[in-house]
This record gives sequence, C-alpha cells and structure tokens, in this order.
Amino acid sequence: GAVVSQHPSWVICKSGTSVKIECRSLDFQATTMFWYRQFPKQSLMLMATSNEGSKATYEQGVEKDKFLINHASLTLSTLTVTSAHPEDSSFYICSGGRGNYGYTFGSGTRLTVV
Amino acid sequence: ELKVEQNPLFLSMQEGKNYTIYCNYSTTSDRLYWYRQDPGKSLESLFVLLSNGAVKQEGRLMASLDTKARLSTLHITAAVHDLSATYFCAVVGNTGKLIFGQGTTLQVKP
Repeated sequence: GAVVSQHPSWVICKSGTSVKIECRSLDFQATTMFWYRQFPKQSLMLMATSNEGSKATYEQGVEKDKFLINHASLTLSTLTVTSAHPEDSSFYICSGGRGNYGYTFGSGTRLTVV
Repeated sequence: ELKVEQNPLFLSMQEGKNYTIYCNYSTTSDRLYWYRQDPGKSLESLFVLLSNGAVKQEGRLMASLDTKARLSTLHITAAVHDLSATYFCAVVGNTGKLIFGQGTTLQVKP
C-alpha cells in the first residue's frame, strides 16, 4: 500500500534553533500534503495544506513565518520549525492526500524543545 | 466551518462488553474515516465510509454512517484489552481537508 516516510521520528533541539521534518511519499505522488500538530491527549489540529509547486495554505492562528512548508516535488514535503521554543514541543504528523483513495499518514515526529 | 464532535471522550469498559462511540459533524461530506492511535504512534486507518447507510466491519469493530443525520458510529463488540487505544473519526470538508474529532480514549479492563 501507499507509504509516507516521515523523518526524523523524534528530535530534541535547543530553544532558538530550527528543525526540519521531511515527509516522502514512497509509492505515490502526493500532490497535496497536510501537516498536523498534536499536543498530548489532544486531537490532530491541521496546521497547513501544501500543494506541489505552490505556496502552502495555513490555518487560522498558525504562523507561516514560523512553520515553513516546502513542497518542491510530488514526493517530498518539508516542515521547518524556525526559532523553536518549548511551546512548539509537540507531535507533528504529515498526511499525503491521494484524492479518492484517501489519506496516508506519516509515522510522526516527536519534537522536544529544551 | 466544518466541526466534528465525538462522544464519549473517554470510555472505560470491561472485557466482553459492547459499546458505541458517536461522531457528529456539522456540514455535509462525502467521506468519513475512522482511525486508531496507540500511544506515541501515528494513525492506523480502520474504515472509510462513503455513502449513506454504509456499514463496514472488521473483527470486533463495526462502523456505520448516516449522512442525513451527519452521524457515524463505531460499535465495539465483546471488547478485548487489545482494543485499548484512542479512536478518531475524521471528515473530509469541501476543500479536501480532513478534520478530526476530539478522539475517544478507550480503556478495556480485564
């Protein structure tokens, strides 16, 4: 079946540094990639939607200058958390949209900012 | 704006018992998904429901969809400990975005 490979699985970084998360669709072309954030014991909150070759669309309240999304190819989308702070610590999950075939989720990235 | 609400949010039940999780959504949609999430893990797809009256079953789990009532149910039959997890419903909005309910944490006790 369709697979989205997400890396890293977990990362610890110092406050003020930037972290990049990659999602690759391995056996399908993800024209659309959705990025979610999940705080402990909470649901998945959609952060942004990216389409290959165009700018991402951010949900209300999500800082586009802080969460940089790049979707340069049909198989790769990246999320960069810039100048990370402890409140950015969360579980980040990407999801590749496959039209009528549904959505394929990455394995998630646990970000801890210290 | 599409809103998705689940209830209950937490469910503790004995093994062997039956229970139902409810998922209501606020606007029309042509697709509804159920997912399972284990602690520290990503989502595992359980069911996709595409039409009014759709019913799908896998093992002890059965999902149904009533598009007129904007309601989906996930029924658990004769629960076992391995079903302990958090269950999410998610609905596709008219922009193609997948919007999640709050999740229902299920704890099955021996």
